Amino acid sequence: EDQVTQSPEALRLQEGESSSLNCSYTVSGLRGLFWYRQDPGKGPEFLFTLYSAGEEKEKERLKATLTKKESFLHITAPKPEDSATYLCAATSGGSYIPTFGRGTSLIVHP
Amino acid sequence: SAVISQKPSRDICQRGTSLTIQCQVDSQVTMMFWYRQQPGQSLTLIATANQGSEATYESGFVIDKFPISRPNLTFSTLTVSNMSPEDSSIYLCSSQRESSYNEQFFGPGTRLTVL
Repeated sequence: EDQVTQSPEALRLQEGESSSLNCSYTVSGLRGLFWYRQDPGKGPEFLFTLYSAGEEKEKERLKATLTKKESFLHITAPKPEDSATYLCAATSGGSYIPTFGRGTSLIVHP
Repeated sequence: SAVISQKPSRDICQRGTSLTIQCQVDSQVTMMFWYRQQPGQSLTLIATANQGSEATYESGFVIDKFPISRPNLTFSTLTVSNMSPEDSSIYLCSSQRESSYNEQFFGPGTRLTVL
């Protein structure tokens, strides 16, 4: 059974304090690893797709990286507007439908 | 990317009633899905909405409780039937390019409260 585990469950940072969120996956033949941002009361907003180990993608203060077992979402010099829940999901060779993690709730204090 | 809208954005309903949620996609996508997200939890897939045929339900979800329609490639509805307080949740519609391992795009969600 495919599994996606995110850590930590919650993270509090001061503005400007860089950190990383972790997404560990156990799937049979990774096809795609996805990161989403979800604000309270809203649907998830797509951020990145990673397909193979060693791949990296960046968007503003966010950088996503992928290894054979996990993905990291690095947040550089975060701002309060980066506060949100970040979801990770993965698809495997057996299905087009992704398995979602439970998310990391990030709060950035000014 | 696809732009997805949902109606209603929120509703408060009485126990035993039913609510139909509409999902509209701005392009002819292909695969559409319905998810449930309970407070503090991640996304749980309810079913895949198939155009022109019956939806494919995940374990624990049945058609009598969550009937789904998809009359064309851009529109789908989810009905939550005979509601109980346990059905209080956010319901999300999503789309994905067919037969691909690409990302899904989500609608804004419908927040349902059942009293």
